[in-house]
Amino acid sequence: GDSVTQMEGPVTLSEEAFLTINCTYTATGYPSLFWYVQYPGEGLQLLLKATKADDKGSNKGFEATYRKETTSFHLEKGSVQVSDSAVYFCALSDTGGGNKLTFGTGTQLKVEL
Amino acid sequence: NAGVTQTPKFQVLKTGQSMTLQCAQDMNHNSMYWYRQDPGMGLRLIYYSASEGTTDKGEVPNGYNVSRLNKREFSLRLESAAPSQTSVYFCASHYSYEQYFGPGTRLTVT
Repeated sequence: GDSVTQMEGPVTLSEEAFLTINCTYTATGYPSLFWYVQYPGEGLQLLLKATKADDKGSNKGFEATYRKETTSFHLEKGSVQVSDSAVYFCALSDTGGGNKLTFGTGTQLKVEL
Repeated sequence: NAGVTQTPKFQVLKTGQSMTLQCAQDMNHNSMYWYRQDPGMGLRLIYYSASEGTTDKGEVPNGYNVSRLNKREFSLRLESAAPSQTSVYFCASHYSYEQYFGPGTRLTVT
């Protein structure tokens, strides 16, 4: 079945550092790929998405490119802020109907001054 | 526009007790979902409803039942709670590639 693997956390960075969170996936067909973010005590929010190969999703300074050849969707940000501290989830949506999401285990990011 | 709402926010149950988690959305979305979130395991799909009147099992349905009462409401029932069901439960609805999540219910079973 479908699966998503993302790097273990926690990741601790200084403010203005460069962020990369790795995500790879296994899926049949052509899934859509997502990054969701969860701030403390809240539900998940969609951060960005890509629906086909070579698409780049971007939002709030975060970017990720759908790489079919490496089955990857790594999240990057050039300069993190303390307010980016959260848990980040990579996810895919199957093409078999139901719009169900398969999530990775999540990566906690802590940004310090 | 409240989005997706869940009640209660917190609940403590004893083993064997039953309870229903409530979820409602005011965005007129067809699809709704129940997930559980456990440390180190991400979110796992319990049940989903692609449209009013239909429900299907997800990855971890055992010990749960659901009801899609109408287009707005999708409830999750634990008939006989077990400590393994201690978790944070999230409801979500779907529209155009995006799932919209509620704030979650933190359930502890002792």
